Amino acid sequence: QQQVKQSPQSLIVQKGGISIINCAYENTAFDYFPWYQQFPGKGPALLIAIRPDVSEKKEGRFTISFNKSAKQFSLHIMDSQPGDSATYFCAAKYNFNKFYFGSGTKLNVKP
Amino acid sequence: DAGVIQSPRHEVTEMGQEVTLRCKPISGHNSLFWYRQTMMRGLELLIYFNNNVPIDDSGMPEDRFSAKMPNASFSTLKIQPSEPRDSAVYFCASSLGGQSNQPQHFGDGTRLSIL
Repeated sequence: QQQVKQSPQSLIVQKGGISIINCAYENTAFDYFPWYQQFPGKGPALLIAIRPDVSEKKEGRFTISFNKSAKQFSLHIMDSQPGDSATYFCAAKYNFNKFYFGSGTKLNVKP
Repeated sequence: DAGVIQSPRHEVTEMGQEVTLRCKPISGHNSLFWYRQTMMRGLELLIYFNNNVPIDDSGMPEDRFSAKMPNASFSTLKIQPSEPRDSAVYFCASSLGGQSNQPQHFGDGTRLSIL
């Protein structure tokens, strides 16, 4: 049973475009929603995170939009750059420190 | 600052052999997590420790897998005997447990291939 469903599986965006990755969850006990970025041969690294009492959080070109009633959250990458090409994972935290990860989205930003 | 350190980075061994993966968490972090990443199943939590005590090992696939954390600066994940289906990238992560909404910091993983 997948606790966090992520889409799309892969995404191709032109340089300067907007990349959008979506995640959905069912468990209303989740209380923290981070996004991780992973480059080949490296571990996932925290990109940005949000609490469920906030509807939007922006850090530079990265924005999380959170819809509590729909149990959905999304990552928007504005002005996407080739250096943003990586795999992105959404996650949700439950019960002190237990994280559930989405299946990942492989982003390719074309120059 | 040193991040989470895992060793070895790559391990290739034959089926039936014992495999030991090692992790040094970030100093001061008191929660440690072991994950397995495969194309088919994504990133799966195997086990996590808080203050060196295993809290949740429900993700450990079977008795062939075991994990220990003898002290705050070292943990091992052992597979005995290993099987080809154990081939994956294994990640260790640490965080400041006990405080809400602390992110996990991942090591660069051990790529394990069982022949």
